[in-house]
Amino acid sequence: QKEVEQDPGPLSVPEGAIVSLNCTYSNSAFQYFMWYRQYSRKGPELLMYTYSSGNKEDGRFTAQVDKSSKYISLFIRDSQPSDSATYLCAMEYNQGGKLIFGQGTELSVKP
Amino acid sequence: ETGVTQSPTHLIKTRGQQVTLRCSSQSGHNTVSWYQQALGQGPQFIFQYYREEENGRGNFPPRFSGLQFPNYSSELNVNALELDDSALYLCASSLGAGNTGELFFGEGSRLTVL
Repeated sequence: QKEVEQDPGPLSVPEGAIVSLNCTYSNSAFQYFMWYRQYSRKGPELLMYTYSSGNKEDGRFTAQVDKSSKYISLFIRDSQPSDSATYLCAMEYNQGGKLIFGQGTELSVKP
Repeated sequence: ETGVTQSPTHLIKTRGQQVTLRCSSQSGHNTVSWYQQALGQGPQFIFQYYREEENGRGNFPPRFSGLQFPNYSSELNVNALELDDSALYLCASSLGAGNTGELFFGEGSRLTVL
C-alpha cells in the first residue's frame, strides 16, 4: 500500500464547475500538507500549504485537511480552462523538504 | 531573481551508461532536493543537499549520487543506467532545509534509457 493515495483520473469538467480533488494517506505522523499544480512538460508549482487539520482559502482554491480521517482535499471554484493540469498532493512529517507525493490527478476543464 | 534551471532538458542514453544532470538553484537558496517522476506518477524523493552535505535520502540505490557546490548548484549522477531509470528528474530549491512547502521546482530533465 502506498503512503499517499490519489485518484489519477482523468477528470473532465465543464468551465465554471466546482472541482474536488482528494488524497488519503496512511501515516498519522504527517503534519504538513501541500497541493502542487503541474502543467504538461513543466515542473510542479506550489498552490496551497497547510499545517495540521483545518481549512485554507486562497482565491478560487480551498484546501482542507482532516487528520482524523487521514484525508485531504482541494476545491477549485469557477474552474477555468487554464486550470487544466495535473494536481499533486504532497505531505511530510516535518519541515525538512522531503515530500511524499500522491500519483497526481489529471484535470481537464472544457470551455 | 532567477528561478531553478536544469540541464539538459532532454537526453537519451543506453542501458549501462552513466548520466549527469545539473541544477542551478534559485538565487539565495542553499538547499537542493532531487526527485524522480516516472510517467503518470508523482515525484519520488531521491536526496537532498544542504550546504554541500547530503541531508537525507529516499529509497534509491547507491548508483544514484549527488553533489552540491559552494554556489549551491547541484548535480545528480546515475551510474549503470537501467530501463526503469527513464523518468523526469526534477530539482527543487529552498531557503534552508526547514522550509516545508516552499520548494521551487525546475522544469526537469527528461531521461530516456534505451
